[in-house]
Amino acid sequence: KAGVTQTPRYLIKTRGQQVTLSCSPISGHRSVSWYQQTPGQGLQFLFEYFSETQRNKGNFPGRFSGRQFSNSRSEMNVSTLELGDSALYLCASSSGDQGGNQPQHFGDGTRLSIL
Amino acid sequence: AQSVTQLDSQVPVFEEAPVELRCNYSSSVSVYLFWYVQYPNQGLQLLLKYLSGSTLVESINGFEAEFNKSQTSFHLRKPSVHISDTAEYFCAVTHSGGYQKVTFGTGTKLQVIP
Repeated sequence: KAGVTQTPRYLIKTRGQQVTLSCSPISGHRSVSWYQQTPGQGLQFLFEYFSETQRNKGNFPGRFSGRQFSNSRSEMNVSTLELGDSALYLCASSSGDQGGNQPQHFGDGTRLSIL
Repeated sequence: AQSVTQLDSQVPVFEEAPVELRCNYSSSVSVYLFWYVQYPNQGLQLLLKYLSGSTLVESINGFEAEFNKSQTSFHLRKPSVHISDTAEYFCAVTHSGGYQKVTFGTGTKLQVIP
């Protein structure tokens, strides 16, 4: 079974630009979560999508948005990039069934650098 | 609301020595607990999990963790570490009965010294 795939692996942008990151979950997984990881703030939850609907949301500004397609693939968009958005963005998938006992399966992340 | 505390940001330990990485959680409902490991330039991988039943859970590479409800802890231990165990370890909690929302600790960097 293929794992979680994130593209691209590395990305360099400048302030003010926008960026779209992609995540393909494990086949059969309907839940996709996004996290931002930085040395100073650690792992912070951005949002979770389940069956094309945003089910949970973290405390990030509206510049961060996402969506999920009918095949469960997900994209995350960040507009008006700031220097502080430089981070490793991780995507994780799970079956997402109610119960909370399913572990998350992570991709290797997209490292975003803002110049 | 649930929360996870990993008090140690870095733990240096000599090769073949034992190690304990501490994790405490708080939640008003029943929880599921997880330990994940992250190697450099990679995503997180599940190391072990506690869902119910025996409070002592083990991983395939020699790590174990014990769920202690009275102390609200889920410390990770290994009796003898190897150089390849050098990584960052994250404790995580979800609450039972709800939709998937995982709360992660801030991580502990384990540095194994040869």
